[in-house]
Amino acid sequence: QVQLQESGPGLVKPSETLSLTCTVSGDSIRSSYWSWIRQPPGKGLEWIGYIYYTGSTNYNPSLKSRVTISIDTSKNQFSLELSSVTAADTAVYYCARWAGGGYSYGDYWGQGTLVTVSS
Amino acid sequence: QSVLTQPPSVSAAPGQKVTISCSGSSSNIGNNYVSWYQQLPGTAPKLLIHEDNKRPSGIPDRFSGSKSGTSATLGITGLQTGDEADYYCGTWDSRLSAGVFGGGTKLTVL
Repeated sequence: QVQLQESGPGLVKPSETLSLTCTVSGDSIRSSYWSWIRQPPGKGLEWIGYIYYTGSTNYNPSLKSRVTISIDTSKNQFSLELSSVTAADTAVYYCARWAGGGYSYGDYWGQGTLVTVSS
Repeated sequence: QSVLTQPPSVSAAPGQKVTISCSGSSSNIGNNYVSWYQQLPGTAPKLLIHEDNKRPSGIPDRFSGSKSGTSATLGITGLQTGDEADYYCGTWDSRLSAGVFGGGTKLTVL
């Protein structure tokens, strides 16, 4: 059974960098694409970007200047960094196994982690 | 606002059928596969439909997906109170080179 678990600080100060890690179990991280998606409180889903095990990435243009997704195949983990955060970045952040290209869907999702941006 | 357009809410009685629409354009729905997700309160989204009309293992055939042109539809038959949730459509947008979602539809089973 494929499982994903997000981890990282739940509180980040404005202008600082949000950092989260997703640990994958039950599947090799070399098997697929892997995505980050977020959901502000009471709002809809926003795709942040994906990474392939080769390190190839694709980011949402609206966040591209601030986002970095990286992968550690030795730990079966991938990570998200979002710089210069503001209150608008407060959201539940999900990681997911992602079908890439024109397929573009997540079949396994983590439970999500709430990140609040506040001083 | 969202690239894909969904009605904010739909409702129907238990046992009835409901459809949820998702409207886009040629750069997204018109030329890429559509997926649908169910999000129960306080939980992560769950994949219901992928590649327009395929159900993952374990998803009952009460849930179905279809697509025509630049619009897609999720159908749910035999409504149950446990189906009350938010439903999202998603696809790839070739012009944006990004994944996109609809704004979500809240289903109420009266």
